[in-house]
Amino acid sequence: IAGITQAPTSQILAAGRRMTLRCTQDMRHNAMYWYRQDLGLGLRLIHYSNTAGTTGKGEVPDGYSVSRANTDDFPLTLASAVPSQTSVYFCASSDSGGGGTDTQYFGPGTRLTVL
Amino acid sequence: GQNIDQPTEMTATEGAIVQINCTYQTSGFNGLFWYQQHAGEAPTFLSYNVLDGLEEKGRFSSFLSRSKGYSYLLLKELQMKDSASYLCAVRDGDYKLSFGAGTTVTVRA
Repeated sequence: IAGITQAPTSQILAAGRRMTLRCTQDMRHNAMYWYRQDLGLGLRLIHYSNTAGTTGKGEVPDGYSVSRANTDDFPLTLASAVPSQTSVYFCASSDSGGGGTDTQYFGPGTRLTVL
Repeated sequence: GQNIDQPTEMTATEGAIVQINCTYQTSGFNGLFWYQQHAGEAPTFLSYNVLDGLEEKGRFSSFLSRSKGYSYLLLKELQMKDSASYLCAVRDGDYKLSFGAGTTVTVRA
């Protein structure tokens, strides 16, 4: 069982270019999340999806978009990258997106540098 | 917004005990999580508390006081492999996780 995979592992991107970060999970989890992690700031939620076909905005959604066409995939798109989007991006999933011990499990991350 | 505070760095000796404190002020509370993150890797789940008290899991224990907005993670019998960042995360009233900036623990021989 792979869990959660992300692609690419790392990417250097010119400012103004469009980029899609891919995330796939094989745990049949209903909820999926995208975070960015910056030094000294911790993980911040960008967008989330509680179930296929629905998405919501997190703490820092500007400049990013997501889609959730099926249970397994949750791509994150930067329409026109800017240097402030240089970060490590983590995708996560959880069973329900609700209460109880609904633990989030994280993918290996994508290190993105925007020049 | 959410406010979650934890120390930036801690250093301890192999075999010792270290306690990482976390204080929080959030809009609603639906549980507190601790994650471990080794450098260059993904966060991995360590513990979950939703009721007051101590949860013990092997060498790691986590404590919660909801009235004080306070939790700690206790790492006992420290090993070199415990050198990592430890992330405190609170699930708020909307069932979303807010993370602290993390505490980097360095274990020295």
